[in-house]
Amino acid sequence: AQKVTQAQTEISVVEKEDVTLDCVYETRDTTYYLFWYKQPPSGELVFLIRRNSFDEQNEISGRYSWNFQKSTSSFNFTITASQVVDSAVYFCALSSGGGSEKLVFGKGTKLTVNP
Amino acid sequence: DVKVTQSSRYLVKRTGEKVFLECVQDMDHENMFWYRQDPGLGLRLIYFSYDVKMKEKGDIPEGYSVSREKKERFSLILESASTNQTSMYLCASWPGTAMNSSYEQYFGPGTRLTVT
Repeated sequence: AQKVTQAQTEISVVEKEDVTLDCVYETRDTTYYLFWYKQPPSGELVFLIRRNSFDEQNEISGRYSWNFQKSTSSFNFTITASQVVDSAVYFCALSSGGGSEKLVFGKGTKLTVNP
Repeated sequence: DVKVTQSSRYLVKRTGEKVFLECVQDMDHENMFWYRQDPGLGLRLIYFSYDVKMKEKGDIPEGYSVSREKKERFSLILESASTNQTSMYLCASWPGTAMNSSYEQYFGPGTRLTVT
């Protein structure tokens, strides 16, 4: 069975701090995909990144970066120099990519960035 | 831009009522999904559909049914609403593994349903 664990339920930081959100996954598939979504207070999930299991290259997009390590089954997300607008619930998700793209979500991490 | 719309942002229904939640996407996506989101539980898949009139159960289908008569519309039905179905319901669509697909699921704004 597939499983995604986000051990941090809530994180609170002060603006400009760096923060890392942890994601650990379990799957028996050799081909799979990992995702991060952001859910701001408005409620709509916003896609941030998708990574397939064959691509362990780290990714950087502005203040956001992702560290994928198959050896530890982790796909961690770091926000550098956090801002108040980063306050949201962040979800890590996993799919086997078998065609239907059924996503298994973690329980989410609520990030609060205080001014 | 892909647009996924849901018929209501907020809905209040009474126990035992039949409830319809509607979802429409405008990008001709083949796949559509219904999730519910509860605090501390994340998003859980209720049902999904990979084609018109096709449906498959997700992880928590009990108490729900779905209908997909047209490609752009996917309805979630609560045959007899109960208080434990009070939740946020999120619809999503996905284009499949077609060329140029970004592979992300596109989510609607959600419907917060309260059953009293």
